[in-house]
Amino acid sequence: DGGITQSPKYLFRKEGQNVTLSCEQNLNHDAMYWYRQDPGQGLRLIYYSQIVNDFQKGDIAEGYSVSREKKESFPLTVTSAQKNPTAFYLCASSPIDVAKNIQYFGAGTRLSVL
Amino acid sequence: AQSVTQLGSHVSVSEGALVLLRCNYSSSVPPYLFWYVQYPNQGLQLLLKYTTGATLVKGINGFEAEFKKSETSFHLTKPSAHMSDAAEYFCAVSDRRASDYKLSFGAGTTVTVRA
Repeated sequence: DGGITQSPKYLFRKEGQNVTLSCEQNLNHDAMYWYRQDPGQGLRLIYYSQIVNDFQKGDIAEGYSVSREKKESFPLTVTSAQKNPTAFYLCASSPIDVAKNIQYFGAGTRLSVL
Repeated sequence: AQSVTQLGSHVSVSEGALVLLRCNYSSSVPPYLFWYVQYPNQGLQLLLKYTTGATLVKGINGFEAEFKKSETSFHLTKPSAHMSDAAEYFCAVSDRRASDYKLSFGAGTTVTVRA
């Protein structure tokens, strides 16, 4: 089945630690996105990528980093510089096509601080 | 920058009653418009979208939305609520002048359905 797989489902971070969230898609989509979801704030864009080896900052990129070495994969690293990382993180992908411009979402990773 | 406002963070309806969720955007050029639904601890699923053409858009699960340019609105409705409609709903916009297809989301509206 085609889709977006995020792992792990739950993740705990210790003080000063970097953690990496995985996002893999087999939809052959060019674009991939990372969002952060906090209660009452909707989804906010962290980073996005429209092509391999290229990515752009979103609205809240500070304290996060990404890579796009393969079309299928777009991992997000939450660095120790992110002082408030507790949130639900969602990965999405979409074709780069006006007619098919729909973002498809993974099931999310819930990150908590120990 | 695109901006989206969803009026009402919580809506409670009786089973069988009309569901109405409000969404307004602020943009000089009407954006692409979307409604997504999120069930607890899950990702988002597209309900419907408007890009061009007919302003009344029908989506999945009996939902529909109407684009009104004069009111800069894209309200979501369902004539008769079902218990399974209990979820959080997000309105989102994408700037049709941009090539990055980024989405800007509203804060969300949580729907509860009373038996």
